[in-house]
Amino acid sequence: NAGVTQTPKFQVLKTGQSMTLQCAQDMNHEYMSWYRQDPGMGLRLIHYSVGAGITDQGEVPNGYNVSRSTTEDFPLRLLSAAPSQTSVYFCASSSQAEQYFGPGTRLTVT
Amino acid sequence: SQKIEQNSEALNIQEGKTATLTCNYTNYSPAYLQWYRQDPGRGPVFLLLIRENEKEKRKERLKVTFDTTLKQSLFHITASQPADSATYLCALDMYHDMRFGAGTRLTVKP
Repeated sequence: NAGVTQTPKFQVLKTGQSMTLQCAQDMNHEYMSWYRQDPGMGLRLIHYSVGAGITDQGEVPNGYNVSRSTTEDFPLRLLSAAPSQTSVYFCASSSQAEQYFGPGTRLTVT
Repeated sequence: SQKIEQNSEALNIQEGKTATLTCNYTNYSPAYLQWYRQDPGRGPVFLLLIRENEKEKRKERLKVTFDTTLKQSLFHITASQPADSATYLCALDMYHDMRFGAGTRLTVKP
C-alpha cells in the first residue's frame, strides 16, 4: 500500500493563478481531509469529506474548493492564489478516528 | 473563544527521563483526543487516541490521560530516547471536525 500520496511536493504560483493539489489514498478510507500548516499555528482544517459525493467546510475554507467523485481521490483547488495561501498543505484519510497523513505540498504564492 | 494550548513550544530533557507534554483546551467538547508525532518535513503520524469517557491509555512507553473536567490531556513518554525527539501535536476530534494544537518540540539529549 502506498498510503496517502500528494502531488506536487513543491509549487510556486503567482498571485491570481489557479492550481489543483492532488491527494489519493489506497486504503479504501471513507473520510478524507485537507489541512494547512503555518509556523506557530498548527494544522488547520480546510475541507473534509465523509464519502464520495459529500464534502464539508472546516475551519479555514475560504479561497479553496474541493470535490470527491471517488473514494480514492480528494483534490484541493485554489481558484485565485493569494500570498496568504503560502503554506504547507497536508491531506489525510481515516476509516475511524486515527488519521493517516500524506507527505505534504509546500506552496509559495508570490 | 475556542483555544487549544500546548504547554510550551519546546521541551528539553535528558535521555532516560520521562517527558510530560500538556494540552489544554477551552470551549470545545471533543469526542476524542488524539496525539501525533511530526518530524521535520514530514506529515504527522498517529500515536494514541483517548475517548471522552476514558481516563488513561497506554501503548508501550507512551501514556495519555484525559480530564474532561479540567479540559486537559497529559502525554507522557517514559524512558525517553534521542529518537523520541520530534514535535508532538494534540488534536481534538469533534466527529470529523479536527482541531490541532500548535505542537511542542521535544528534544531528548543523550
